[in-house]
Amino acid sequence: AQSVTQPDIHITVSEGASLELRCNYSYGATPYLFWYVQSPGQGLQLLLKYFSGDTLVQGIKGFEAEFKRSQSSFNLRKPSVHWSDAAEYFCAVGASYSGNTPLVFGKGTRLSVIA
Amino acid sequence: EAGVTQSPTHLIKTRGQQATLRCSPISGHTSVYWYQQALGLGLQFLLWYDEGEERNRGNFPPRFSGRQFPNYSSELNVNALELEDSALYLCASSFQISGRAGETQYFGPGTRLLVL
Repeated sequence: AQSVTQPDIHITVSEGASLELRCNYSYGATPYLFWYVQSPGQGLQLLLKYFSGDTLVQGIKGFEAEFKRSQSSFNLRKPSVHWSDAAEYFCAVGASYSGNTPLVFGKGTRLSVIA
Repeated sequence: EAGVTQSPTHLIKTRGQQATLRCSPISGHTSVYWYQQALGLGLQFLLWYDEGEERNRGNFPPRFSGRQFPNYSSELNVNALELEDSALYLCASSFQISGRAGETQYFGPGTRLLVL
């Protein structure tokens, strides 16, 4: 069964600074990987996903993520953070084969942005 | 294209009552997932329905149940409500392509349930 670890519970960055949110997964084959963002009291919005191909994935709102098989990681990055990026970010892993386990989500990283 | 919709947006119940939450998936999606997001506990997987059948269920007691209708909309029922059931309940939907369990899920805005 797959699992996801987001080591950072809470990160604070200054507006305009770069951002990297960490995600490590456990899965026996090539996984499907996702990043979602959740604003307070809202549902989750898909930022980007990786299924196969180019390991650097571009998403919405200027985010990108890189799949590194050797490190079992799928870290989310943004070169310059805006105050509106303050939210909770969830990494998820999905099985690339048939089964009864849907996406498995990490516990989330809360991002605060300061002026 | 309309996204996933959920109703009601807010629900207030008292302990011991029953709650019914509803979800309409994106057109063309056959899978519906339910999650509970209680304060400080992250996303907890509740139920997965596909083509009217329950595919999987998370580690929740039987008083959490649901169903999927022929039009793929879904209902989550919580019986004998307890205070700790207070949470944001999120519904998501996806396509279900044969041979792939990890499909992209698209989320609704959630139903906030408060149990007094």
